[in-house]
Amino acid sequence: QVQLQESGPGLVKPSQTLSLTCSVSGGSISSGDYYWSWIRQPPGKGLEWIGHIYYSGSALYNPSLNSRVSISLDTSKNQFSLKMTSVTAADTAVYYCARDSFSSSWYWFDPWGQGALVTVSS
Amino acid sequence: DIQMTQSPSSLSASVGDRVTITCRASQTISSYLNWYQLKSGKAPKVLIFAASSLQSGVPSRFSGSGSGTDFTLTISSLQPEDFATYYCQQSYSTPYTFGQGTKLEIK
Repeated sequence: QVQLQESGPGLVKPSQTLSLTCSVSGGSISSGDYYWSWIRQPPGKGLEWIGHIYYSGSALYNPSLNSRVSISLDTSKNQFSLKMTSVTAADTAVYYCARDSFSSSWYWFDPWGQGALVTVSS
Repeated sequence: DIQMTQSPSSLSASVGDRVTITCRASQTISSYLNWYQLKSGKAPKVLIFAASSLQSGVPSRFSGSGSGTDFTLTISSLQPEDFATYYCQQSYSTPYTFGQGTKLEIK
């Protein structure tokens, strides 16, 4: 059973770079034709898809964040990572990693990590 | 981007009640619609994928229906563990987008 766990600093200063890692256990990140996603939820608000990376390493981002975000894979550690530059208070959120599960042409997020709260504050 | 609109935004109900949550897409998305349950401090959980397919391990009191632009999630008989926030999500096109959520509270 695949499990995901986010890790990284819980506090980031404005204008700095947010970095989070998702550790995957119970399955290899580089097999199975899967995409691996980052999703966030600001306090009191809804969910926003940030982007995803294919097991081959190609990534796609939400255009609303495109210029500030990058997602990468580390297959040796079975992890994938998120970097977000020039953060502001608006980037304060719980950040989730998830696998894009699929069947034929249907995609959904499963499983998810428990989430990591990142606060942007000086 | 495809906008997803859920209603209601909050709902009070009692154990044993039948509850329906609605999700509307700003354009047709066929059946590319998923439903999730979120509880504070826990990993979000998919309930329904492809509009009406029950995820393995999810109780059969959860069901989904709809296609095109209008979708519903129904809980046939609320259990205490069902009080949570529910989100719909379209997987028709990127960027994937979610509804704003429906908070289900105990009456």
